[in-house]
Amino acid sequence: DTAVSQTPKYLVTQMGNDKSIKCEQNLGHDTMYWYKQDSKKFLKIMFSYNNKELIINETVPNRFSPKSPDKAHLNLHINSLELGDSAVYFCASSQGWRGVDTEAFFGQGTRLTVV
Amino acid sequence: GENVEQHPSTLSVQEGDSAVIKCTYSDSASNYFPWYKQELGKRPQLIIDIRSNVGEKKDQRIAVTLNKTAKHFSLHITETQPEDSAVYFCAAREKTGGFKTIFGAGTRLFVKA
Repeated sequence: DTAVSQTPKYLVTQMGNDKSIKCEQNLGHDTMYWYKQDSKKFLKIMFSYNNKELIINETVPNRFSPKSPDKAHLNLHINSLELGDSAVYFCASSQGWRGVDTEAFFGQGTRLTVV
Repeated sequence: GENVEQHPSTLSVQEGDSAVIKCTYSDSASNYFPWYKQELGKRPQLIIDIRSNVGEKKDQRIAVTLNKTAKHFSLHITETQPEDSAVYFCAAREKTGGFKTIFGAGTRLFVKA
């Protein structure tokens, strides 16, 4: 069983389109994240949800909107895609929140290419 | 907020040699430091972590040391093998400002057979 799964694995789309990436975890974790990994491999957090509540919202354009229908799912919708949005997007989850230090389990990543 | 710096950005070693990757952090309140390994085209995966109440932790060929006073921590890989070739990320879990995990920029390790 895959612990953190995201779909699709690859996404090629034209500028201006709207697209979504889905993420699901079956680990029973309370906290889920979206990370963006650019071409230089730098991993930067975008959003974090704890029990469906938005906890972290980094300086991310409003075109990016996360949605967590329940604590096992965290989806990412992107409007009006731009060339600079091309990157690998990783979903991750971890158990607990404040005061609890646990590792993050990552999904396999979604390679988004905007042409 | 927390800032994590990682060096070197690229490291090339001969099989069987040791590899050391160093990181520094800025927030003295951070107290959890995981290390991730990312193979080409794969997801980052935890290889070892250390909490601030511990100075050193070892798991087979991998060890991590933490110096809280100096705010730096290091990853040591002994007897390197070609399959150790990957990008390694250090990270620090921020305790102020949002409790988020901040990653270093990564070290690309090449182990030559």
